[in-house]
Amino acid sequence: AQSVTQLDSHVSVSEGTPVLLRCNYSSSYSPSLFWYVQHPNKGLQLLLKYTSAATLVKGINGFEAEFKKSETSFHLTKPSAHMSDAAEYFCVVSRTGGSYIPTFGRGTSLIVHP
Amino acid sequence: GAGVSQSPSNKVTEKGKDVELRCDPISGHTALYWYRQSLGQGLEFLIYFQGNSAPDKSGLPSDRFSAERTGGSVSTLTIQRTQQEDSAVYLCASNVGVNQPQHFGDGTRLSIL
Repeated sequence: AQSVTQLDSHVSVSEGTPVLLRCNYSSSYSPSLFWYVQHPNKGLQLLLKYTSAATLVKGINGFEAEFKKSETSFHLTKPSAHMSDAAEYFCVVSRTGGSYIPTFGRGTSLIVHP
Repeated sequence: GAGVSQSPSNKVTEKGKDVELRCDPISGHTALYWYRQSLGQGLEFLIYFQGNSAPDKSGLPSDRFSAERTGGSVSTLTIQRTQQEDSAVYLCASNVGVNQPQHFGDGTRLSIL
């Protein structure tokens, strides 16, 4: 079985300040982990993925995430928020070599203030 | 390059009518997924197709929902006798295989009056 918990439904930051979106996962097997972003009235776009290579994963638009097995976490960070980062973010877990159906978190809405 | 294409982008229909939603995945992607996203909610898995295998229908909420995928490419999600609770955005995604990133269409926004 697998599950994913996004710890914050909303995160509010000021432009130019750091972003932290938290994600904890549960998986009985070695997980593959993803972060996606969804802008209004659009589909989801891949930000980054972890598939058992380097634990620090760099993605698009300056985002990165660190896989911490001991904490079962995969938090998304960005050093400096931009207004265009305002969107919904989804953490996703799937089972490496197993189940074909990824499990999505409920999403975190990132609000960026000028 | 061409991404996942969904049509129509918006659909308004009366309660009790049938609707068909179409998804055209990226060429060569063997896997195709349908999700439902209600207002302010996360993604609810509906159905998964992989190549010529029998689809995984475990997420379909009732027997009013069905989907098919013809020739391993285009997929159609059909909702019969629509209800107001069916109002949502229906998203389609495709990928090249297990645990690979999914590519999403922009969705069909379905409104049931």
